[in-house]
Amino acid sequence: RKEVEQDPGPFNVPEGATVAFNCTYSNSASQSFFWYRQDCRKEPKLLMSVYSSGNEDGRFTAQLNRASQYISLLIRDSKLSDSATYLCVPLTGGYNKLIFGAGTRLAVHP
Amino acid sequence: DTGVSQNPRHKITKRGQNVTFRCDPISEHNRLYWYRQTLGQGPEFLTYFQNEAQLEKSRLLSDRFSAERPKGSFSTLEIQRTEQGDSAMYLCAIRKDAGSDTQYFGPGTRLTVL
Repeated sequence: RKEVEQDPGPFNVPEGATVAFNCTYSNSASQSFFWYRQDCRKEPKLLMSVYSSGNEDGRFTAQLNRASQYISLLIRDSKLSDSATYLCVPLTGGYNKLIFGAGTRLAVHP
Repeated sequence: DTGVSQNPRHKITKRGQNVTFRCDPISEHNRLYWYRQTLGQGPEFLTYFQNEAQLEKSRLLSDRFSAERPKGSFSTLEIQRTEQGDSAMYLCAIRKDAGSDTQYFGPGTRLTVL
């Protein structure tokens, strides 16, 4: 089983839609989680950190289910500018190296 | 601005040539990471420095790869005898705050091996 698994998508949604991605992780010792956003041919940029059961920042909500070992990202009122790949990162390993999922691609259309 | 610059931004080389990439954090950060990203995949950890000490290396880092951080500031990643499979984006990341796990990435160096 991979350490981090994400549905690659693409998720094609209209503007204004609500969309959710799931990410499953195998290391039950993971305590912290990140969602990074990556635009095409650019570097990943931190979208949200999750240190407890969840986090909310504007239109973005992350929820953690430790029992089932998955973390979700919900985007409400999608904007065209939300089109990107969303990378899930459970924090694990020594020295806090990041283990990334392959990402979920989101395409928001008019 | 993430506070990390990388040079060159793009590199095209022929198979068998050596290449070197550089990562420059704008200010002092004791923890510096290198990752590699291929098309359709997330970044994969390569190696980690705390100050000038290289504390961890991934098994992805074959003996053709070497990384240094001689003064605990900038870092270099060298690939010897490049292969087509080395074609990827090479990303450098730093931890800005000692109390935070967040890593901030530079713009990356895109390597194409012909």
